[in-house]
Amino acid sequence: NAGVMQNPRHLVRRRGQEARLRCSPMKGHSHVYWYRQLPEEGLKFMVYLQKENIIDESGMPKERFSAEFPKEGPSILRIQQVVRGDSAAYFCASSRTGDNQPQHFGDGTRLSIL
Amino acid sequence: TQLLEQSPQFLSIQEGENLTVYCNSSSVFSSLQWYRQEPGEGPVLLVTVVTGGEVKKLKRLTFQFGDARKDSSLHITAAQPGDTGLYLCAGRYNFNKFYFGSGTKLNVKP
Repeated sequence: NAGVMQNPRHLVRRRGQEARLRCSPMKGHSHVYWYRQLPEEGLKFMVYLQKENIIDESGMPKERFSAEFPKEGPSILRIQQVVRGDSAAYFCASSRTGDNQPQHFGDGTRLSIL
Repeated sequence: TQLLEQSPQFLSIQEGENLTVYCNSSSVFSSLQWYRQEPGEGPVLLVTVVTGGEVKKLKRLTFQFGDARKDSSLHITAAQPGDTGLYLCAGRYNFNKFYFGSGTKLNVKP
């Protein structure tokens, strides 16, 4: 499967713990985007990254949330000290370049906070 | 504030009927994409429209981008149960940031 791979598919955390969500883009894609989706809603942009660079993080909360896309390995979305309101589906998408290229999505990580 | 408004929010129709879903904004987009999402899965890209007034057909699906590049529509002819899903439009606003509408949930009954 050469698509966007996200893991884990489901993640359960207790309040105050850390959540780490991983995304491996499609082969040949160097641009990664993270989105958050609440039930019955559309996707909300969080952050846009290229290898080793954050291009746009305007949709990401200033506290507790961070994202990286290292030179080697997957992109990571990290949520520290999770709260109930962080429960959502988090989707990653990738594109070959940033020039109006289509974004291809993974199947998401469903995060549940107890 | 929702940058992209989709209507209707919910649509339940019988197999064989036609339907149109709308995506409207007060902002101009350099391109607009339509996705279909099924429960438990990620959105799957259906089409990208770039030019104002552009019409694209994908089998029974017809997509149109408004002349001013502020709105779009998706028309499905002779809907089938396999068309059931959440239809999302996404407008490219600047650089490569996309804003998504809240979606139209379509249910096609056999």
